Amino acid sequence: SQQGEEDPQALSIQEGENATMNCSYKTSINNLQWYRQNSGRGLVHLILIRSNEREKHSGRLRVTLDTSKKSSSLLITASRAADTASYFCATDVSGGFKTIFGAGTRLFVKA
Amino acid sequence: NAGVTQTPKFQVLKTGQSMTLQCAQDMNHNSMYWYRQDPGMGLRLIYYSASEGTTDKGEVPNGYNVSRLNKREFSLRLESAAPSQTSVYFCASSEGGGGSPLHFGNGTRLTVT
Repeated sequence: SQQGEEDPQALSIQEGENATMNCSYKTSINNLQWYRQNSGRGLVHLILIRSNEREKHSGRLRVTLDTSKKSSSLLITASRAADTASYFCATDVSGGFKTIFGAGTRLFVKA
Repeated sequence: NAGVTQTPKFQVLKTGQSMTLQCAQDMNHNSMYWYRQDPGMGLRLIYYSASEGTTDKGEVPNGYNVSRLNKREFSLRLESAAPSQTSVYFCASSEGGGGSPLHFGNGTRLTVT
């Protein structure tokens, strides 16, 4: 079963707009990660937020984590056509080796 | 740096045939993983190796075997391929567990007819 569920499944925006993707999960986590996947390629790690953190920034990326609601959001500001990709949240359950991925959000940024 | 290298990139098998997917990493990572990706289902963990000499089952291990040949290499074997194993297979590595970021290869697209 999926630990993380992304919302929306697909998102289409204009270049320059902000894109927000959400992730909900079911069980307690140690940390949550976001990955990007360009078409036909492997996933690339974007950012990790630990369970005791509420917000984290990396360049144009802003991630929030609300452990009481078991949810996270990824905000991409001033989007570019090159941001077109699928974005996945992934959770680490019990500090082990089983990183569990959601089904992803497909983002399309129109130039 | 190559990172994580997977071979082959594409493969077509007939039902019942066997094959081994190869994976090698050059980042001196301790842990390695095999995932499969199916449309609408994200990635599902097949097997992982926390460190050289150990392997453990993930979410969907049935029909697969793995070998951690050495610290660099982690192979996935399909003994008798089935159409349900048609998927894109990704190998990944990480420094350790506890949610360490995963570094992925570019995948092997497998079709079983």
